[in-house]
Amino acid sequence: SAVISQKPSRDICQRGTSLTIQCQVDSQVTMMFWYRQQPGQSLTLIATANQGSEATYESGFVIDKFPISRPNLTFSTLTVSNMSPEDSSIYLCSVEGTGSVYEQYFGPGTRLTVT
Amino acid sequence: RKEVEQDPGPFNVPEGATVAFNCTYSNSASQSFFWYRQDCRKEPKLLMSVYSSGNEDGRFTAQLNRASQYISLLIRDSKLSDSATYLCVVPASGGSYIPTFGRGTSLIVHP
Repeated sequence: SAVISQKPSRDICQRGTSLTIQCQVDSQVTMMFWYRQQPGQSLTLIATANQGSEATYESGFVIDKFPISRPNLTFSTLTVSNMSPEDSSIYLCSVEGTGSVYEQYFGPGTRLTVT
Repeated sequence: RKEVEQDPGPFNVPEGATVAFNCTYSNSASQSFFWYRQDCRKEPKLLMSVYSSGNEDGRFTAQLNRASQYISLLIRDSKLSDSATYLCVVPASGGSYIPTFGRGTSLIVHP
């Protein structure tokens, strides 16, 4: 299984600022995903990070708010821009497993609080 | 019907008990299903995959009922360490490769 690290593990930010979250995988993977998990809720997919092309965003999420980079097959970043308290959440990156795209391995998450 | 629905619980059971959770899904074309476990303040981890009628791994059994469009997770001889939230995952409708996560069922195993 892939080993995934995320930085930072947590942060408290002021509204109007931006935060960039890094995701590093110990092996090359084709697909990397970014999720949000709000308190008491399940995971919501924000976007799929594609290497060499723009990320694919899910309904309700836009590039201006959540720009994503994928410079290589082991690394991706998610930026939460112009933050508001509603962005307070846990942000997780994941990669697909060897068996199926649904068998995903998750990073430990970044706990974001916006004040 | 929502794509994936789970009873949020919590299910509060004593050690040694047998407990089962159900997860209903709307995408009748789904061929594969998954259970993830998420401990408090931790990331989800894959527990079991279900590709046909069911799957068994030790104390855990996952079963699929296609006619009624639900999957179940059965835990026998519950341990304190089984306390967690169990997330059901099915592929999204429309041929998407995107997994849809349920809100999860919370299990508390007490002494």
